[in-house]
Amino acid sequence: QSVLTQPPSASGTPGQRVTISCSGSSSNIGNLPVTWYQQFPGTAPKLLMHADNERPSGVPDRFSGSRSGTSASLAISGLQSEDEAFYYCASWDDSLNGYVFGTGTRVTVL
Amino acid sequence: QPQLQESGPGLVKPSETLSLTCSVSITAIIRSSNHWAWIRQAPGKGLEWIGSIHHSGSTYHNASLRSRVTISVDTSKNQISLRLNSVSAADTAVYYCARHIGVGGKDYMDVWGRGTTVTVSS
Repeated sequence: QSVLTQPPSASGTPGQRVTISCSGSSSNIGNLPVTWYQQFPGTAPKLLMHADNERPSGVPDRFSGSRSGTSASLAISGLQSEDEAFYYCASWDDSLNGYVFGTGTRVTVL
Repeated sequence: QPQLQESGPGLVKPSETLSLTCSVSITAIIRSSNHWAWIRQAPGKGLEWIGSIHHSGSTYHNASLRSRVTISVDTSKNQISLRLNSVSAADTAVYYCARHIGVGGKDYMDVWGRGTTVTVSS
């Protein structure tokens, strides 16, 4: 059972804003930065966001991230059909002394 | 050629040892300050970190797998390896290797292999 909890699904129509939450604790995202990965079915995860809100080169600016308290969020503004994928948050956990992934959220574009 | 490429048997019998290799072409492991990670994903499930290793030998493991996992690095072949012993059907998954930056705080995995599917079955 993951220590980072995400809603199993989220959806929106093209152009809408969708937000995905990631809930943790003081041993992980309460004190350490969060990373977000995007995964299309049958493919490897791709780094989407690190250090809470740093986008790697090539990631559209409609993706943004934030962290507050023991929660983090990934927002997709101007949702597009190609954003339909699974999204995972992740962070180091000081209590476990290991890296933990969130439970994952499937984003559907209606 | 992918920058990271996993390889190994696609089928392993229960109770036996799963052995995988990740060939790294993005950089010379010995000159890299980063760790290299193994991650797996069971069918229809989420991502699970297995462990990460630095060429110096510094290694971190998922506590739930630590007793069965060995991660090693071969700098002469520019490869990292994973051994998971006493496997069961629960170890059936796609296994990925990835470059793990900032281990222990500002972590992220920026380069991933395509993954290799391992099925545990008799």
